[in-house]
Amino acid sequence: GAGVSQSPSNKVTEKGKDVELRCDPISGHTALYWYRQSLGQGLEFLIYFQGNSAPDKSGLPSDRFSAERTGGSVSTLTIQRTQQEDSAVYLCASSLGNTGFKTEAFFGQGTRLTVV
Amino acid sequence: AQKVTQAQTEISVVEKEDVTLDCVYETRDTTYYLFWYKQPPSGELVFLIRRNSFDEQNEISGRYSWNFQKSTSSFNFTITASQVVDSAVYFCALIQETSGSRLTFGEGTQLTVNP
Repeated sequence: GAGVSQSPSNKVTEKGKDVELRCDPISGHTALYWYRQSLGQGLEFLIYFQGNSAPDKSGLPSDRFSAERTGGSVSTLTIQRTQQEDSAVYLCASSLGNTGFKTEAFFGQGTRLTVV
Repeated sequence: AQKVTQAQTEISVVEKEDVTLDCVYETRDTTYYLFWYKQPPSGELVFLIRRNSFDEQNEISGRYSWNFQKSTSSFNFTITASQVVDSAVYFCALIQETSGSRLTFGEGTQLTVNP
């Protein structure tokens, strides 16, 4: 497809389990972002990748969260030892160029994570 | 530090009414970008507009218009003759030059347009 694709769309996991969330950005987009949206809340920045540069991880809430981007394309967000407060919609976005703040970000439909 | 405030949590209007969504931002940078996104019930954020800090010209796109005023640090969004399909959560966002590409979002305004 032409847009940002995220999988799975929904994920229910037991507390303490690890989960992996996947994001396929728009082809040719060098910038990729992960955001988290808790119920009724705004969007919280998690991490940003730009080309081959070191990612900006300053938004990750704890060391249980990590992300990687392979080959400058697909990204995986991993949450280890999930907690109930991790329940949220995780949104991925991509944009053009190395001056990402000058271009709009295109968002996927998100992965709704529920930790029970 | 950068911050975006959308004071209106929820707005409810009747179809064909005009509605304005408020956005106030804080930044110490002189170069920054402001955005509006729409999040319909499907969940995917849809880009609506980008405005840079050096361009205060207001913009109109169909029923949508935006009023950028640096003097009051506001970037308000008006929908004219609202329609039911406009019902969504609307987010205002800011990127400041010194924060790279980190988009800071407001809390969002839930707009409900009733028939």
